[in-house]
Amino acid sequence: DGGITQSPKYLFRKEGQNVTLSCEQNLNHDAMYWYRQDPGQGLRLIYYSQIVNDFQKGDIAEGYSVSREKKESFPLTVTSAQKNPTAFYLCASRGLAGADTQYFGPGTRLTVL
Amino acid sequence: GQNIDQPTEMTATEGAIVQINCTYQTSGFNGLFWYQQHAGEAPTFLSYNVLDGLEEKGRFSSFLSRSKGYSYLLLKELQMKDSASYLCAVTDSNYQLIWGAGTKLIIKP
Repeated sequence: DGGITQSPKYLFRKEGQNVTLSCEQNLNHDAMYWYRQDPGQGLRLIYYSQIVNDFQKGDIAEGYSVSREKKESFPLTVTSAQKNPTAFYLCASRGLAGADTQYFGPGTRLTVL
Repeated sequence: GQNIDQPTEMTATEGAIVQINCTYQTSGFNGLFWYQQHAGEAPTFLSYNVLDGLEEKGRFSSFLSRSKGYSYLLLKELQMKDSASYLCAVTDSNYQLIWGAGTKLIIKP
């Protein structure tokens, strides 16, 4: 099946620890995205990448880092510098044309204790 | 700046019709998307409009007026499972998706 996978679905970490969320897609999409969603809020863009080995900061990149070493993979690291890391994290991918639909992974709910 | 506005919350009755509006101001326009998001889940694609007019897909329809910077999602014959948030998103001149904050739709029996 084609799609986007994120793991794990639920993640617990102690304050001060870095944590890496995985995102893999087999849709052959060039662009990949990371969003953060807080309860009752909309999507906020953290980072995005349109090509391997290149990525751009979104609206709330502080305290996060990413890499894009392979077209299929776009992991997100939540660092200890992120002040309020507890949130629902969504990975997405799409083609580069305007009409291309953006598809989302199932999300990872991160709780920092 | 770029801005997309949607009502925060709407309530409707099972079996009725509801219209969710979206207005946008973006740097360029390359299409408008509607997504549905159930609580605790990822958004799923509903519709795409790039030309003016109405696109119908079963119980859901989406309308676009580019000159007015306006779209709406029309849901007919509402079912309890339609309770969800509905997100409007616009592709700008750089082909980036700009997201609205979403409209939470509550369906009452």
